[in-house]
Amino acid sequence: ETGVTQSPTHLIKTRGQQVTLRCSSQSGHNTVSWYQQALGQGPQFIFQYYREEENGRGNFPPRFSGLQFPNYSSELNVNALELDDSALYLCASSWDVGGEQFFGPGTRLTVL
Amino acid sequence: GENVEQHPSTLSVQEGDSAVIKCTYSDSASNYFPWYKQELGKGPQLIIDIRSNVGEKKDQRIAVTLNKTAKHFSLHITETQPEDSAVYFCAAKDTGRRALTFGSGTRLQVQP
Repeated sequence: ETGVTQSPTHLIKTRGQQVTLRCSSQSGHNTVSWYQQALGQGPQFIFQYYREEENGRGNFPPRFSGLQFPNYSSELNVNALELDDSALYLCASSWDVGGEQFFGPGTRLTVL
Repeated sequence: GENVEQHPSTLSVQEGDSAVIKCTYSDSASNYFPWYKQELGKGPQLIIDIRSNVGEKKDQRIAVTLNKTAKHFSLHITETQPEDSAVYFCAAKDTGRRALTFGSGTRLQVQP
């Protein structure tokens, strides 16, 4: 059974640029949730996708957007990057919206 | 919304000793309480969870207790080993919410 994978591992961008992060969910899982983890803090919920539809959103601005594909993989897009967007971005998959969430290794984004 | 507080922020124990990490939550509707272990450079790994219809759950050296009346839950690790050194996060959720709400983390250091 393949676990949750994310790409890229690390990314460096400059302020104002746009970035796309990718996540492949664990086999059999149809739900993907994205979290932002700032250094020294717990993960903060960005949004969740269930069967290709956004299914809940945390307190993040619209420049954070996402997609889920028919194979349940997902993308997180961030426009107009700000310095405070520097963080570890985690995706977690689950077999359903209420199921246990299993996390990938994360993408470390640095905004200069 | 839900708010989860976690204590202590750092914990140092000798190998073989026990470690206890405590969390409190604010939303009485929360009914699912997972614990995650995060090693350096990795995503959070689910190590144990408990639901509100259970007061205690044990898995080898790890146990979790839940007091719904007081709205707090705790992680107990017995016979600690150096490989238990990591950051531990508690989280809370109810079945109607999409997001896990995380505590701020506890850095556990097990001294050999």
